Amino acid sequence: GQQVMQIPQYQHVQEGEDFTTYCNSSTTLSNIQWYKQRPGGHPVFLIQLVKSGEVKKQKRLTFQFGEAKKNSSLHITATQTTDVGTYFCAGRRYNFNKFYFGSGTKLNVKP
Amino acid sequence: DTEVTQTPKHLVMGMTNKKSLKCEQHMGHRAMYWYKQKAKKPPELMFVYSYEKLSINESVPSRFSPECPNSSLLNLHLHALQPEDSALYLCASSQAGLGIQYFGAGTRLSVL
Repeated sequence: GQQVMQIPQYQHVQEGEDFTTYCNSSTTLSNIQWYKQRPGGHPVFLIQLVKSGEVKKQKRLTFQFGEAKKNSSLHITATQTTDVGTYFCAGRRYNFNKFYFGSGTKLNVKP
Repeated sequence: DTEVTQTPKHLVMGMTNKKSLKCEQHMGHRAMYWYKQKAKKPPELMFVYSYEKLSINESVPSRFSPECPNSSLLNLHLHALQPEDSALYLCASSQAGLGIQYFGAGTRLSVL
């Protein structure tokens, strides 16, 4: 079954608008990673979150890990056309030696 | 160098063919992965090699056979595939198991 749920499935925004994608797990995660996959491309690592309540920023991108380590979000401020792609979270459960990818959120940015 | 190289980029094969996908990394990573990705879906883990030993097989059909000849190379041998096996096959590596995964560009496989 689906270990990590991700919403929304699709998001269409006007350039300059903000965007957020959410990941939720029914079980506590030891850590979570975020990847971006451009159309026709391959997943590229963005960030890893490990600590409860952790917040990390990369320019216009803000990543959060929930206090219970069961959810995470990626927020993009003032989207640009270069942000187009599918964003995946990948969570690891304690004592499991693999990451479970979320279903992904496909972001389209209209200029 | 954070590159994972996969060959070939595209592959078309018949259901009776035997072919191999290759993956190479020179980052000194000791964990290597094979993923299968269908259109509009997330990558689906197939195999994990850790220190050149198979550590995870996600119940993949035996028509897919992985091989790790050395710490830099990973192969996926294909035999008697089905049309539903058509997908993007991604290789990834990480410094150790469960670390940051660096993905190759993938092999786009079509089974006729």
